[in-house]
Amino acid sequence: GAGVSQSPSNKVTEKGKDVELRCDPISGHTALYWYRQRLGQGLEFLIYFQGNSAPDKSGLPSDRFSAERTGESVSTLTIQRTQQEDSAVYLCASSSWNLAGRKGGELFFGEGSRLTVL
Amino acid sequence: QQPVQSPQAVILREGEDAVINCSSSKALYSVHWYRQKHGEAPVFLMILLKGGEQKGHEKISASFNEKKQQSSLYLTASQLSYSGTYFCGTERDSSYKLIFGSGTRLLVRP
Repeated sequence: GAGVSQSPSNKVTEKGKDVELRCDPISGHTALYWYRQRLGQGLEFLIYFQGNSAPDKSGLPSDRFSAERTGESVSTLTIQRTQQEDSAVYLCASSSWNLAGRKGGELFFGEGSRLTVL
Repeated sequence: QQPVQSPQAVILREGEDAVINCSSSKALYSVHWYRQKHGEAPVFLMILLKGGEQKGHEKISASFNEKKQQSSLYLTASQLSYSGTYFCGTERDSSYKLIFGSGTRLLVRP
């Protein structure tokens, strides 16, 4: 597709359930990021994938959070045993800036997946 | 490690100027600026590299002071379309890991 695609756009779940959020990056983008944005707040870094290198998981808030990415394609963010504080918009972004050179360092964001935990 | 943005919010009349600041306690390799309108995804404005020059985009420009680990975003002759939340993102050590500040809410009124 032309842009970063995320699904579902909205997800309402009950406390304790597991959820999976999907991100389809722009074709050819080797860098992929997940951020969390709580209502009215900033962008909280979660995880960063770069090609086949080990991901930077330093932003994952707890072991209930995990993410996978197969090669340079789709990524899935999984939240297990969801809690109410997990409610937020989860944004995915992709970039080719490691390939395009530093001056091409734009992150392209998807529209996000809005998660509501009841 | 999160950069600090100031001010948290600013209200302008159309045509007025504004400056948004972003500072870090750690050495930076690059600084990014993004704008997010309500209910939309953040959109890239510009990137400033260590050793780089001041960048510009229409009436929006930015500078990067490496010694002070600070960046400033300059909005001149503001337009209604400039309203939104502005985020700076900082990168350390050429890591490609981008950490964002808490944002500055800008409202431009007629």
